[in-house]
Amino acid sequence: NAGVTQTPKFRVLKTGQSMTLLCAQDMNHEYMYWYRQDPGMGLRLIHYSVGEGTTAKGEVPDGYNVSRLKKQNFLLGLESAAPSQTSVYFCASNYQGPQHFGPGTRLLVL
Amino acid sequence: QQQVKQSPQSLIVQKGGISIINCAYENTAFDYFPWYQQFPGKGPALLIAIRPDVSEKKEGRFTISFNKSAKQFSLHIMDSQPGDSATYFCAASRQAAGNKLTFGGGTRVLVKP
Repeated sequence: NAGVTQTPKFRVLKTGQSMTLLCAQDMNHEYMYWYRQDPGMGLRLIHYSVGEGTTAKGEVPDGYNVSRLKKQNFLLGLESAAPSQTSVYFCASNYQGPQHFGPGTRLLVL
Repeated sequence: QQQVKQSPQSLIVQKGGISIINCAYENTAFDYFPWYQQFPGKGPALLIAIRPDVSEKKEGRFTISFNKSAKQFSLHIMDSQPGDSATYFCAASRQAAGNKLTFGGGTRVLVKP
């Protein structure tokens, strides 16, 4: 099992550009999450999903959108990137056990 | 407003020493308290977790102490090893709220040989 995978690993964007981060899990987990990690602030929840076709806002949802069209995939979109969105993004999944995290996507917005 | 406060931000310990990281939470509805370990360039991985019905949990060299009345919990790393050098995050969640984790700010631990 690959666990939780994230694509891409690293990306540089210019302000105003859009992009989609892809998260995939092969553990048949119902719940999936997107976090951002910034120095000194730990991980903060952006959006999450409790099942295929459902999404909900987390702590810091502004500027992001998500979709969960398939149970195994959770997409995070940035419609118009801003320098404040420079961060490391982590996807996680679980059901009744602990959250399993992916390796992260490092995003730099210039 | 940070609901889970973690201290210290960093610490240096000699090999064989004890590393202690503290966390305090505000929301009394939290009912699950995990600790995650993160190595550079990797995602966080669950280290150990505790529920509020017990005051201590030990797994190998890692121990969680939990004080419900003080709304505090801590991680003790006994006999610290250079391989323990990592960033540690405490977290808290309410199972009734979909297992959403609220993380502390993290502690970078360096174990000197």
